[in-house]
Order: sequence, then C-alpha cells, then structure tokens
Amino acid sequence: SQQGEEDPQALSIQEGENATMNCSYKTSINNLQWYRQNSGRGLVHLILIRSNEREKHSGRLRVTLDTSKKSSSLLITASRAADTASYFCATDAGNFNKFYFGSGTKLNVKP
Amino acid sequence: KAGVTQTPRYLIKTRGQQVTLSCSPISGHRSVSWYQQTPGQGLQFLFEYFSETQRNKGNFPGRFSGRQFSNSRSEMNVSTLELGDSALYLCASSKLPRQTDTQYFGPGTRLTVL
Repeated sequence: SQQGEEDPQALSIQEGENATMNCSYKTSINNLQWYRQNSGRGLVHLILIRSNEREKHSGRLRVTLDTSKKSSSLLITASRAADTASYFCATDAGNFNKFYFGSGTKLNVKP
Repeated sequence: KAGVTQTPRYLIKTRGQQVTLSCSPISGHRSVSWYQQTPGQGLQFLFEYFSETQRNKGNFPGRFSGRQFSNSRSEMNVSTLELGDSALYLCASSKLPRQTDTQYFGPGTRLTVL
C-alpha cells in the first residue's frame, strides 16, 4: 500500500473557517511534501518539511511533522473558495530513490 | 520563467496502439519525473530521469518507457495500449533529484484509450 495516507478523504467547510488535513506514513522519512491539485490539473508544491523540522509556515499554511507518530498535518487558515482542491502529501520512505504520494484529501470550501 | 509544458494535453487512442508524450522542464532543471494518476490507483510514480539517465523506475510493465534528451526534455512511450492505461500523465521537473527538491508539475496529458 502507499506510504502516505491522508485523512479525511473529503472535507467540506465554509469560507473563513480553518481546514486541517492529516497525513500518516509507515516508515521513516527524510522529508515530507504537501501538494495541491485543482480538479484534473497539475500539482502545485506547497511546502517541504524535513525530518528534523517540527513546524513550517507559508502564508496561510502551517505544516507540522511528528516523526514519533509518523504523521503530518496541513492547516489552512481563513480558507477561501479558491482553496477548493485536492491536497496530497508525499514522502520518500527514508530512501532517496523512493517517492510516494498519498491518496489525497478533497477539500471543498463553500462561499 | 516558463513552467513545465506537456504535449499533447489530450489524446485519444485505441487498444493496441502506442503513444508518445512529451515534457519540457523548466529551464535549468535537470530532473524530470513522470507520474500516472487514475481515480482508482491515485498518483503513481513511473520513472525519473536526471541528466539523461534513468535514476528510478516505478512498478510498471515494460510497455512503459521513457528517455531524456541532452536539453533535459523528456518523452515517455506506452506501447500496446490497454484500457487501463487511460489516465492523467503528469510530468514534473526539479533542479535536483526529486526527493530533495521542489518538483514543479506540468498540466498533464489526459490519455483516453478506447
């Protein structure tokens, strides 16, 4: 099965609310990345967090990493309708020759 | 700076045919990776090229192949197409090998096999 699994699979919130999605993985990693994909289009890189980092911020995005629990979370604050997309985490499974995407969280932000 | 471009954007083929997809990375990027995305299997890694050499290959049959040219442009080829090959094929480029660097994705090629 895939290295990264997102939770929840789908999330529907109102504009202005915060959205939190989680990613769990199975083996140790060197880094974890989050991507966004608008319907049927290419992926956009959001944040890369290394295994020795615990938290990173980028604008309205906050990513945390807990290597002891093998999990990461992506928080989008003050969500907007334009944030409607699928969000994926990707990990390297501790092997620089590997790179796995999770199954994604589909976020719907209602105006 | 121009982004990653993929051609064609849409393609319809029939079973048994072969297809070649093209990817032009961002100028200066030497790593190109290919992914297949389907509703059932999600995003799956196909292969990665770095400086014209295949670094890694995913778990796909030999019908899937690729190459990278000296200008870093890459092509992937699928021979003897099957219905299950219908998917969005995404190409991504980065300066360094993909696990250590930000990948920039193209818009994808939507392949439909009839």
